[in-house]
Amino acid sequence: ILNVEQSPQSLHVQEGDSTNFTCSFPSSNFYALHWYRWETAKSPEALFVMTLNGDEKKKGRISATLNTKEGYSYLYIKGSQPEDSATYLCASYTDKLIFGTGTRLQVFP
Amino acid sequence: DTGVSQNPRHKITKRGQNVTFRCDPISEHNRLYWYRQTLGQGPEFLTYFQNEAQLEKSRLLSDRFSAERPKGSFSTLEIQRTEQGDSAMYLCASSPRHLGGGYTFGSGTRLTVV
Repeated sequence: ILNVEQSPQSLHVQEGDSTNFTCSFPSSNFYALHWYRWETAKSPEALFVMTLNGDEKKKGRISATLNTKEGYSYLYIKGSQPEDSATYLCASYTDKLIFGTGTRLQVFP
Repeated sequence: DTGVSQNPRHKITKRGQNVTFRCDPISEHNRLYWYRQTLGQGPEFLTYFQNEAQLEKSRLLSDRFSAERPKGSFSTLEIQRTEQGDSAMYLCASSPRHLGGGYTFGSGTRLTVV
């Protein structure tokens, strides 16, 4: 994998559903993997910075896992709420961040 | 410190005109980055500075784009002879040299070239 890839491109879920997204990144020369949350008309906000293979981080209802050997990370949202609606970006860091195209999440009440 | 500040928030310009955007980073952060985001795409790397030194510029960036960071504080991004394809959101971010907490982004400058 030469680029950072995210799937799905977009996701529509009902309030209360749990969901997850995938980020694939180059596993060679890995240094760190970042997740950001970007709400419309706001700045991208850092969620997690992950560096260790097998790492799992959690922030409220949102958690992320990291597999550096195979080059993927999952972001999970438990019990989605309308305020979780945003674009979720992952990025691979070497000397700068290279972003994926993002997963646009919409949570309907 | 109120975070990363970008000005203007919106800019509409005619094709062929020059535009300049400004970014004020978090004062303790010595790294500053410029990204461009178009519809349906993630932020695309343009260039970055460590203090006043420009360390890397994307090969995708044409000679019409130039960035400066005099004295290692605020930065400006200038686009000369704008084209319609330059229409995008231009994002600035800053970070300390060691990235324990990730980048802090500004709200961006939305450029529309008509």
